[in-house]
Amino acid sequence: GAGVSQSPSNKVTEKGKDVELRCDPISGHTALYWYRQRLGQGLEFLIYFQGNSAPDKSGLPSDRFSAERTGESVSTLTIQRTQQEDSAVYLCASSGHSNQPQHFGDGTRLSIL
Amino acid sequence: GENVEQHPSTLSVQEGDSAVIKCTYSDSASNYFPWYKQELGKRPQLIIDIRSNVGEKKDQRIAVTLNKTAKHFSLHITETQPEDSAVYFCAASMWDKIIFGKGTRLHILP
Repeated sequence: GAGVSQSPSNKVTEKGKDVELRCDPISGHTALYWYRQRLGQGLEFLIYFQGNSAPDKSGLPSDRFSAERTGESVSTLTIQRTQQEDSAVYLCASSGHSNQPQHFGDGTRLSIL
Repeated sequence: GENVEQHPSTLSVQEGDSAVIKCTYSDSASNYFPWYKQELGKRPQLIIDIRSNVGEKKDQRIAVTLNKTAKHFSLHITETQPEDSAVYFCAASMWDKIIFGKGTRLHILP
């Protein structure tokens, strides 16, 4: 499809396990964002990639969180040693440039038991 | 860095009436202001956006106004309908990452 694709759509895991979330942006989009959205809450910025520039990691809540992006393609968000407070929907968005409309994926709903 | 404040956090209006959501931003260099609508359980979707070289933009029942001097912008929805019930997010951006407000939950009352 032509939109932002995220996988898995749902992930249930035990506390302490590592998880990896994937985002396929729209082809040609240079900017990619990760957000966390807890139930009934707003969009919490996590990390931002723009082309080949160094990513803006200022929103990552702890060193258990990391993200990578290869060029202008797929990005993965990794959460190590998951905690119950990590339970949330993780949304990815991409845009043609940082100052253009963002297109969101459907998100990954992460549940930590 | 940029900071975006959004009010109110919750808004209830009678069907057919107008709804107004207001946002302020802190960085006078911000030049792009999108609005997103998020229905329950769904992804946020862009509904309208405005750039700093214009003061107002309309799209059918939706309009956005921008006051650069006061650093605030507003979303206006006229003739509200049940399908307008959702959470609305404002955002501001310079040539950098987009910063979102905390959202407004809009309820359309029958």
